[in-house]
Amino acid sequence: LAKTTQPISMDSYEGQEVNITCSHNNIATNDYITWYQQFPSQGPRFIIQGYKTKVTNEVASLFIPADRKSSTLSLPRVSLSDTAVYYCLVASGAGSYQLTFGKGTKLSVIP
Amino acid sequence: NAGVTQTPKFRVLKTGQSMTLLCAQDMNHEYMYWYRQDPGMGLRLIHYSVGEGTTAKGEVPDGYNVSRLKKQNFLLGLESAAPSQTSVYFCASRDPGQGAQDTQYFGPGTRLTVL
Repeated sequence: LAKTTQPISMDSYEGQEVNITCSHNNIATNDYITWYQQFPSQGPRFIIQGYKTKVTNEVASLFIPADRKSSTLSLPRVSLSDTAVYYCLVASGAGSYQLTFGKGTKLSVIP
Repeated sequence: NAGVTQTPKFRVLKTGQSMTLLCAQDMNHEYMYWYRQDPGMGLRLIHYSVGEGTTAKGEVPDGYNVSRLKKQNFLLGLESAAPSQTSVYFCASRDPGQGAQDTQYFGPGTRLTVL
């Protein structure tokens, strides 16, 4: 299982763009990168997933460089409701039974 | 669809008591998972199942047992509760048939306190 490293915490003001970087140096060829969001007292929920280059959905963008040893989750114009813990996971999809959650990055959005 | 549901939402046990946590999913997913989350920590995998009648150990299986008698249900048992098992327990399900879309769906959690 590929190990991931993220900052423990980040602060941002409302309206700013937030970028959270995840390091995964030993990512395997078949591995995908997935980000989850967890609000207090709730289970994590899927945000975005990608394999290479850039992926965008209605919530966030995910940037993955060519060597795939890191990835950056980008949240545009954050609001107070984006205050949560964000987890980066690396797994190979259907062949990967276990998914390892690290400690995540606690994002605090300041008014 | 209710998604993933967990029963109960809260429970207080005394040391040595036993209990079973129930997880149910209505998405026909093959894989199901039990995690625990301690304050300020990420999720740690306790046990998981890749299909009806199968179970496997995760990262922290000691003190827990599981059963998957029906595809939609995954039970987590504590035979003799200890204070170290005070935690929030999350259940999740996942459908490997969707290929690369590696989405786990989580339940709302069960907050367990062992005195």
